[in-house]
Amino acid sequence: AQSVTQLGSHVSVSEGALVLLRCNYSSSVPPYLFWYVQYPNQGLQLLLKYTTGATLVKGINGFEAEFKKSETSFHLTKPSAHMSDAAEYFCAVNDAGGTSYGKLTFGQGTILTVHP
Amino acid sequence: GAVVSQHPSRVICKSGTSVKIECRSLDFQATTMFWYRQFPKQSLMLMATSNEGSKATYEQGVEKDKFLINHASLTLSTLTVTSAHPEDSSFYICSAFRVNTEAFFGQGTRLTVV
Repeated sequence: AQSVTQLGSHVSVSEGALVLLRCNYSSSVPPYLFWYVQYPNQGLQLLLKYTTGATLVKGINGFEAEFKKSETSFHLTKPSAHMSDAAEYFCAVNDAGGTSYGKLTFGQGTILTVHP
Repeated sequence: GAVVSQHPSRVICKSGTSVKIECRSLDFQATTMFWYRQFPKQSLMLMATSNEGSKATYEQGVEKDKFLINHASLTLSTLTVTSAHPEDSSFYICSAFRVNTEAFFGQGTRLTVV
């Protein structure tokens, strides 16, 4: 079975500061990993994904994440936070291939607050 | 990117009535769609996997007779909450899976049962 743990339900940073949202996963097969952002009362928007290949993945809005197999981690970072980054962020994992392809297991979510 | 449209975005219904939520993939064919439920301040929990032309597969603990799923075409899946009660109030989100890419999410439906 696969699972996702996001460390820290709330993260607060100052505008311009580094954003680091942590995600650890467990999976019995090589995983596909995703980060999504959700604004209040809206659906999820994909920020970035890792499937195969380069372990450092760049996404939209200046976000990036690095897949570290040895640490079973996929932490999300952004060098400089903007006020518009305030939202809830979800890490998700999908077992590559098989009948569950496309089915995601989500972490608990991390609410990012950005202070002026 | 691919677009998934979910309707309605908000619905308020009386206890005991049924509510239907539609999920459409607008620019691709989705043989598989997923329905999630999100309680306030919690993560998304998968309710069921909807497969075109066959019965949905429900996750453990999800009542299939209460949450009816129909995936009659490659672009439309519907979730009907039957005999809704206040505890069914939640945010429901669908996703449509596009082969060899990823799952694309609808905008979500806020259901309030009064």
